[in-house]
Amino acid sequence: QKEVEQNSGPLSVPEGAIASLNCTYSDRGSQSFFWYRQYSGKSPELIMFIYSNGDKEDGRFTAQLNKASQYVSLLIRDSQPSDSATYLCAVFNAGNNRKLIWGLGTSLAVNP
Amino acid sequence: KAGVTQTPRYLIKTRGQQVTLSCSPISGHRSVSWYQQTPGQGLQFLFEYFSETQRNKGNFPGRFSGRQFSNSRSEMNVSTLELGDSALYLCASSLVSSGSYTDTQYFGPGTRLTVL
Repeated sequence: QKEVEQNSGPLSVPEGAIASLNCTYSDRGSQSFFWYRQYSGKSPELIMFIYSNGDKEDGRFTAQLNKASQYVSLLIRDSQPSDSATYLCAVFNAGNNRKLIWGLGTSLAVNP
Repeated sequence: KAGVTQTPRYLIKTRGQQVTLSCSPISGHRSVSWYQQTPGQGLQFLFEYFSETQRNKGNFPGRFSGRQFSNSRSEMNVSTLELGDSALYLCASSLVSSGSYTDTQYFGPGTRLTVL
């Protein structure tokens, strides 16, 4: 079992729809969870992080964390073609020598 | 505040050569991590440096090495280049506050290495 798993996609949604991206992790001691967006040929850029169970909203983005079920998700409301990118999930455990473990990413295509 | 900078941005080398890449973290950030990314692959962790010491290391051969200077700037070196080393090399810096559990990493633009 991989430490951080994401569906590789591609996930295809129409413009204006809600895109839902999921990430599961195996280390129950994980404390912080990050979502990055990476456009083709560019470096990853931070969207948001979450460390408490529940929802955290930032503009059109909502991160949802469920530590009991060991998953974190990212919702993108009113998806735009400019949201088409690969979304990377990363999980941090300060007790694991402060390692950040990365998923392979989910490719999202928003169709006009 | 200036972001993470990496030099050079593009590099073309031939097999057998060696290469050195440089990364300057965000001012005040003490940790620098290096990643390799190839088409269709996720981020492959190379190593992390904190206060001039390698704190974590990924599963790469010894041809890949790095170091960090007292000003937190970091370099990575790849010796005896192979065709498979062609990739985007990314550097990320983080603040690392003792006791903090949000070591957010901020990425530089990357160095695109092509090995011919």
